[in-house]
Amino acid sequence: DVKVTQSSRYLVKRTGEKVFLECVQDMDHENMFWYRQDPGLGLRLIYFSYDVKMKEKGDIPEGYSVSREKKERFSLILESASTNQTSMYLCASSLIAGGRYNEQFFGPGTRLTVL
Amino acid sequence: AQSVTQLDSQVPVFEEAPVELRCNYSSSVSVYLFWYVQYPNQGLQLLLKYLSGSTLVKGINGFEAEFNKSQTSFHLRKPSVHISDTAEYFCAVRTSGGSYIPTFGRGTSLIVHP
Repeated sequence: DVKVTQSSRYLVKRTGEKVFLECVQDMDHENMFWYRQDPGLGLRLIYFSYDVKMKEKGDIPEGYSVSREKKERFSLILESASTNQTSMYLCASSLIAGGRYNEQFFGPGTRLTVL
Repeated sequence: AQSVTQLDSQVPVFEEAPVELRCNYSSSVSVYLFWYVQYPNQGLQLLLKYLSGSTLVKGINGFEAEFNKSQTSFHLRKPSVHISDTAEYFCAVRTSGGSYIPTFGRGTSLIVHP
């Protein structure tokens, strides 16, 4: 079974703090994704990565950055957390483009509260 | 560009009743279609997917969905729901041969009452 783990289930931070959210997958997937989920807005893509050290902006990258130094690990960084970044953050992984069966596998989510 | 519309934000239903969650998509090319379920305080997990072949797709937990190309729809159905089906359901579409990034609908909250 594919397993995607996220470093924290719940996190509380203060405005202006630097925040790291870690995601690890154990199935050698090339693609990794970070989404935020807000009520009524569904899932919005922040960043994705299709290979080590490669990254592409999603729909809402402002205020976020990412790092992928190893294939299995994809980190989301909030350089200076703000209250409007309070949300549920979901990490996902999938096989490389071209594979017919590349549905996404999701982690359990990190609920971040910024005070 | 592809888009997904989940027509109902919330669907309340009584236990053992049938349910249909609606999903329409727009795309000018062939698509792959997915339904995911998210139970409270958990991540998403795949319920079922349509890649090609039979338009009726069966998934886990007794759910099924029918791909209708002419209607550009992929509605999710279950003949008899349980309390444990209470969850958020997301429809997603990805174009075949194109970007591997799916587009998600905004979700439908299924609330099953005893």
